[in-house]
Amino acid sequence: GENVEQHPSTLSVQEGDSAVIKCTYSDSASNYFPWYKQELGKRPQLIIDIRSNVGEKKDQRIAVTLNKTAKHFSLHITETQPEDSAVYFCAAATGGGNKLTFGTGTQLKVEL
Amino acid sequence: GAVVSQHPSWVICKSGTSVKIECRSLDFQATTMFWYRQFPKQSLMLMATSNEGSKATYEQGVEKDKFLINHASLTLSTLTVTSAHPEDSSFYICSARATPEGGYTFGSGTRLTVV
Repeated sequence: GENVEQHPSTLSVQEGDSAVIKCTYSDSASNYFPWYKQELGKRPQLIIDIRSNVGEKKDQRIAVTLNKTAKHFSLHITETQPEDSAVYFCAAATGGGNKLTFGTGTQLKVEL
Repeated sequence: GAVVSQHPSWVICKSGTSVKIECRSLDFQATTMFWYRQFPKQSLMLMATSNEGSKATYEQGVEKDKFLINHASLTLSTLTVTSAHPEDSSFYICSARATPEGGYTFGSGTRLTVV
């Protein structure tokens, strides 16, 4: 089955700096890669996703890049703000409604 | 957008009792529902995949007789934790896709505490 690895497990940045979180996946059939932000006790909140036919996607301060050959994808947050502090999860899924496999999570802390 | 309603949001039960968690897709038909468990400071781990009208598929290491899943209709899936013990205390969350290639919609989660 799919295995998703995520690094780093914790990330501390100064407000205004950029944050990068990286994930690798094992199943070359995976074609959908979402990123979620989760606050304590809440459901995961989709912040951006990318499909395998695209190499990069951007939404304001958030961007995701995908390297299918290397089977890794990354989340980039620019101009970080204190409210960006949360746990971020990457995930991967194949098509046809199949299950979503999560990475191990990154605790992001944006310090003033 | 697609909405999945999950109840209860939290429950406390005594050791040895059973607890049922419900997930309903409100505005789409969920042929498949995924059930996850999340321990504190850990990732979401898939427990089982529930398919309407058929038996659930459990992930390795998940006891199917302990975690009973029923998906009797296209809008309702239930997870019953039977003979709950303190180690079953966790955050349980369901998820479904409104379309086969669409995004995943999550329920709000259920915080189970077994005392």
